[in-house]
Amino acid sequence: ILNVEQSPQSLHVQEGDSTNFTCSFPSSNFYALHWYRWETAKSPEALFVMTLNGDEKKKGRISATLNTKEGYSYLYIKGSQPEDSATYLCAFMEYGNKLVFGAGTILRVKS
Amino acid sequence: DTGVSQDPRHKITKRGQNVTFRCDPISEHNRLYWYRQTLGQGPEFLTYFQNEAQLEKSRLLSDRFSAERPKGSFSTLEIQRTEQGDSAMYLCASSVGGHATDTQYFGPGTRLTVL
Repeated sequence: ILNVEQSPQSLHVQEGDSTNFTCSFPSSNFYALHWYRWETAKSPEALFVMTLNGDEKKKGRISATLNTKEGYSYLYIKGSQPEDSATYLCAFMEYGNKLVFGAGTILRVKS
Repeated sequence: DTGVSQDPRHKITKRGQNVTFRCDPISEHNRLYWYRQTLGQGPEFLTYFQNEAQLEKSRLLSDRFSAERPKGSFSTLEIQRTEQGDSAMYLCASSVGGHATDTQYFGPGTRLTVL
């Protein structure tokens, strides 16, 4: 059974703080890793699709890195803002294009 | 709005009743997926379609669940004889194709509460 772990489970930071989360996934049979941001009452929003070991992607103040050999990915948010408050989900792409999600990291940014 | 839409957004039903949810994917997306999320967990895969063909069903999808995508466009998910354990958020996603790098775009979900 594939297991995708995310840590921490939740995080409370002050506006302006930088923060990072971890996603751990199986290092064998790797196809892709997806990151999503899910705000309450909205659709999950795709952030990144990562495929290559050592890959680093950036979108505004958010960036992500990927290590497929050891099976982890980091998501970084620089200078957190209240609008960054959301649940951040990572998902391992399994053969057949099914996403296997972690439980998510809940981020709350206080102004 | 050309994103994925789902209807209804909320459904409250009594145990034993049948419910049906609808998903309208992004136009021209060939793949359509159904996931279910329960409290404290990430979304779990239920089933997916390539055009109108249902290619895979999770073991989570009991005989009481059925999904269709009759014309390769919208999809419906029906749950018969609902149980309290069916209470969850049901998410639909679509993608242009089946490559590992193809982003799955999600709808806002249907939250089901079974009393």
